[in-house]
Amino acid sequence: SQTIHQWPATLVQPVGSPLSLECTVEGTSNPNLYWYRQAAGRGLQLLFYSVGIGQISSEVPQNLSASRPQDRQFILSSKKLLLSDSGFYLCAWSVGTGRTEAFFGQGTRLTVV
Amino acid sequence: DQQVKQNSPSLSVQEGRISILNCDYTNSMFDYFLWYKKYPAEGPTFLISISSIKDKNEDGRFTVFLNKSAKHLSLHIVPSQPGDSAVYFCAATFQGAQKLVFGQGTRLTINP
Repeated sequence: SQTIHQWPATLVQPVGSPLSLECTVEGTSNPNLYWYRQAAGRGLQLLFYSVGIGQISSEVPQNLSASRPQDRQFILSSKKLLLSDSGFYLCAWSVGTGRTEAFFGQGTRLTVV
Repeated sequence: DQQVKQNSPSLSVQEGRISILNCDYTNSMFDYFLWYKKYPAEGPTFLISISSIKDKNEDGRFTVFLNKSAKHLSLHIVPSQPGDSAVYFCAATFQGAQKLVFGQGTRLTINP
């Protein structure tokens, strides 16, 4: 069966520090991968998605970047965190063209102080 | 541009009664709709979906209704149980879209 791992579960980082959140998927090949952020009053905001290795689509211009170095690995990064980067970050995967359900990881609560 | 809207941030329902969560969309290309349930500090989990070729889909206590002309869908939970207390997200997509567009979510509280 397919599983998705996302870590860490919680993270407290000072302003200006770098960020690296990692997500891996098991049990499937060539998944679509997604990074979402849940912010108060804005629901689940899609940040990045990837349909293949090295292919990244950015949905929102911001202080963050994403990379997909391997088929089932998706990384969310920042060189210098801002206070506004605080939030709940979710990785997800799906199969196919998007008309299928997406499966989410447990999320990372990031607090920038 | 909020293409999927859940205009009620919260809803409170008595246990055993019907819960109705609403969702509106603006993009007429959307042809597949999903509902997700989310508990605090966890990722959302898939609940139920509906294709635009249908106007109703039922799974146990959960039923989703789609009104294409009004660009509106709703999730009915009958009977509501305390474990249904969570945030519910509506999502939409279309063939070839590669992604889901989510609404803002509605926090459902079931009161005993």
